[in-house]
Amino acid sequence: GDSVTQMEGPVTLSEEAFLTINCTYTATGYPSLFWYVQYPGEGLQLLLKATKADDKGSNKGFEATYRKETTSFHLEKGSVQVSDSAVYFCALRSTGANSKLTFGKGITLSVRP
Amino acid sequence: DTAVSQTPKYLVTQMGNDKSIKCEQNLGHDTMYWYKQDSKKFLKIMFSYNNKELIINETVPNRFSPKSPDKAHLNLHINSLELGDSAVYFCASSRQIHTEAFFGQGTRLTVV
Repeated sequence: GDSVTQMEGPVTLSEEAFLTINCTYTATGYPSLFWYVQYPGEGLQLLLKATKADDKGSNKGFEATYRKETTSFHLEKGSVQVSDSAVYFCALRSTGANSKLTFGKGITLSVRP
Repeated sequence: DTAVSQTPKYLVTQMGNDKSIKCEQNLGHDTMYWYKQDSKKFLKIMFSYNNKELIINETVPNRFSPKSPDKAHLNLHINSLELGDSAVYFCASSRQIHTEAFFGQGTRLTVV
């Protein structure tokens, strides 16, 4: 079945540091890939997405590229801010009549001033 | 103007009680979902409805019964609550089955 694997957390960075959060997936066909962010006490928000191989999703300074050859969708940001502290979830939605959104375990990012 | 709204936001109840969580979306989406987030933040889909019809039921106990009176609403009723039901429950919707989901703020259920 479909699965998403995220790197183990939590991650703590200083402000303006470079961020990489790894995500790999297993799925049949050509899934769509997503990064969701959950700020403290809130629901999940879509951060960015990519629907086909080599697509790059970007939003709020975050980027992720759909790499079919390595089945990866790593999240990057060049300079993190304290306000980026949140839980980040990688997810995929496979094709098919009853496709569902499958999430990774999530990783907590804390950015200190 | 909240796109996906859930009520209540917090729910504390005793074991054995029956409770409901309501969800409404004003986005005109065809598909709605219920997810459970455990204490380790792991998210797992419970149910998915498309045009008021159940399309996904992920081995959820029969004590959980979703009801979709119309496309804009998907309520979750839980019978005979157990301690292990304590979690945050998220409602979500998407335009169609294959498109990205929009989430509500969550309902934190605590069973004591």
